[in-house]
Amino acid sequence: GENVEQHPSTLSVQEGDSAVIKCTYSDSASNYFPWYKQELGKRPQLIIDIRSNVGEKKDQRIAVTLNKTAKHFSLHITETQPEDSAVYFCAPGSNTGKLIFGQGTTLQVKP
Amino acid sequence: NAGVMQNPRHLVRRRGQEARLRCSPMKGHSHVYWYRQLPEEGLKFMVYLQKENIIDESGMPKERFSAEFPKEGPSILRIQQVVRGDSAAYFCASSPDQASTTEAFFGQGTRLTVV
Repeated sequence: GENVEQHPSTLSVQEGDSAVIKCTYSDSASNYFPWYKQELGKRPQLIIDIRSNVGEKKDQRIAVTLNKTAKHFSLHITETQPEDSAVYFCAPGSNTGKLIFGQGTTLQVKP
Repeated sequence: NAGVMQNPRHLVRRRGQEARLRCSPMKGHSHVYWYRQLPEEGLKFMVYLQKENIIDESGMPKERFSAEFPKEGPSILRIQQVVRGDSAAYFCASSPDQASTTEAFFGQGTRLTVV
């Protein structure tokens, strides 16, 4: 079956620093690579996604990079702020329609 | 355009009762996905439906769980004879097409507590 792993499981950074979360997947059919942010008690919200024909995408302080050969993609957050504190999930998908979520990374940004 | 609507937001059931969770997709969306999230874990895929069809139910337990998405009305996730292990947050997502090509929009979730 599909296997998705995120590292690290927890990450603590000082406000203004950068944060990087890596997601490794096993399904070679994966062709859609989103990152979701979930605050406590709330729904997952898409923050950035990338398709398999693109290597990198940036949206203000957030970027995603994809290495399809190595089967991993990463979330990069620059100039972190306390409101970035949340749990982040990668959830690669394929033409099956379903998303396979990682176990999550808890990001804490200390003011 | 209202987002994905789930109700109820919170549901308390005694062991052995039935739980019915409802999901109304975004307007124009015909694909619905149900996910379950246990405390401090990621979301686990349960079932993928299109109108009147179950496309993939590989993540749904064979016993006690069923899902439907009728031609008219919301998608329903039904859990019969609930047990304490069913306590979780159940999220519904919808998309106009398969989630691999378009963003899946999540509802606020239903938090089921079995006592």
